[in-house]
Amino acid sequence: DGGITQSPKYLFRKEGQNVTLSCEQNLNHDAMYWYRQDPGQGLRLIYYSQIVNDFQKGDIAEGYSVSREKKESFPLTVTSAQKNPTAFYLCATDSGVSPLHFGNGTRLTVT
Amino acid sequence: GQQLNQSPQSMFIQEGEDVSMNCTSSSIFNTWLWYKQDPGEGPVLLIALYKAGELTSNGRLTAQFGITRKDSFLNISASIPSDVGIYFCAGDGTSYGKLTFGQGTILTVHP
Repeated sequence: DGGITQSPKYLFRKEGQNVTLSCEQNLNHDAMYWYRQDPGQGLRLIYYSQIVNDFQKGDIAEGYSVSREKKESFPLTVTSAQKNPTAFYLCATDSGVSPLHFGNGTRLTVT
Repeated sequence: GQQLNQSPQSMFIQEGEDVSMNCTSSSIFNTWLWYKQDPGEGPVLLIALYKAGELTSNGRLTAQFGITRKDSFLNISASIPSDVGIYFCAGDGTSYGKLTFGQGTILTVHP
């Protein structure tokens, strides 16, 4: 999607390494979210941020960390503490008056 | 937390057939959303419902917000091959901030 850019599209890491997934938006939306998708489980919320320099844990925050230093950017770090990091990660934004708008995802494979 | 039960989990249909899928919740939602996800991409919003009883169409798609506010359905008429993908329902109890997603319905359309 042109408004939300997730990079890279595919990411491979060795077990025990931290890895950071990028999410950049030019929609001027205040709120940003990270979801994790596994087959047959729908989307689960990892972290979200409703304003710069503030963020909240979602339902499955353990093993992940985020920062929100700029309105446009909400990077997600998958740490070595995450026990099952291989998944499809989706970043999303909203303006508070419109539904969630998603990026095209990053597929992370950890071996 | 809130849970959504989406059914069926998967559907295999012939081109031209109509499709129906639904979501039920254990709690009341203020908003129901339906998204479609193509393989390797992020979900794209199809229909948003904001009032109990609301029936909304988007081309061949029709969705309804249940009167009890605990369920919603999505119908696709005269399916075509490009309808293939995963369809998600999502509900929001208080704001767009934290959507609850169904597990998804995988739709396969045979030409």
